[in-house]
Amino acid sequence: SQELEQSPQSLIVQEGKNLTINCTSSKTLYGLYWYKQKYGEGLIFLMMLQKGGEEKSHEKITAKLDEKKQQSSLHITASQPSHAGIYLCGADLSGNTPLVFGKGTRLSVIA
Amino acid sequence: NAGVTQTPKFRILKIGQSMTLQCTQDMNHNYMYWYRQDPGMGLKLIYYSVGAGITDKGEVPNGYNVSRSTTEDFPLRLELAAPSQTSVYFCASIARGGFGTDTQYFGPGTRLTVL
Repeated sequence: SQELEQSPQSLIVQEGKNLTINCTSSKTLYGLYWYKQKYGEGLIFLMMLQKGGEEKSHEKITAKLDEKKQQSSLHITASQPSHAGIYLCGADLSGNTPLVFGKGTRLSVIA
Repeated sequence: NAGVTQTPKFRILKIGQSMTLQCTQDMNHNYMYWYRQDPGMGLKLIYYSVGAGITDKGEVPNGYNVSRSTTEDFPLRLELAAPSQTSVYFCASIARGGFGTDTQYFGPGTRLTVL
């Protein structure tokens, strides 16, 4: 079974609209990482959350980690074509092991 | 710092051939990882290393081997390539690993096709 579930799998939004991507774990997260990947390229680190209730923002992207540290959301405000890509969440599930990843959310932004 | 570099960027292999994917990082990170990414499947861990001379299997190690003779280098060896190994391979590194305290840096990836 997948330890980290992302939803939705894909998303098409009109430019200027807001959107939210979710990442849910069956286990408590020691750390939650959000990455963005453009087709054919590597992963670009966006944000890392560690504490329950933590929220971080960078430009128009905000990520939150819930109090129970089992779910994170990534929110994009006023989406732009440059936001298009695959968003991946990665989690540290036991405090000292490699990250496990969700399957990703493919975001398309149309004019 | 160049970060994490991978070579080659692209490679086509015939079934049964062997090759080594190179990964180098210049950040003096102890922890290094090899992932493969198949379409729509996220990333799966192949092997990882917590320091020079120490390696361990990840989720999908079959058909691969690794070595870690130096802190900087973590090559991934494919023996007897099979079509199921067609994928994009990413190398990553992190300073300490674990506890959600460090950023994991990724290389640009190697796109491998086995025909």
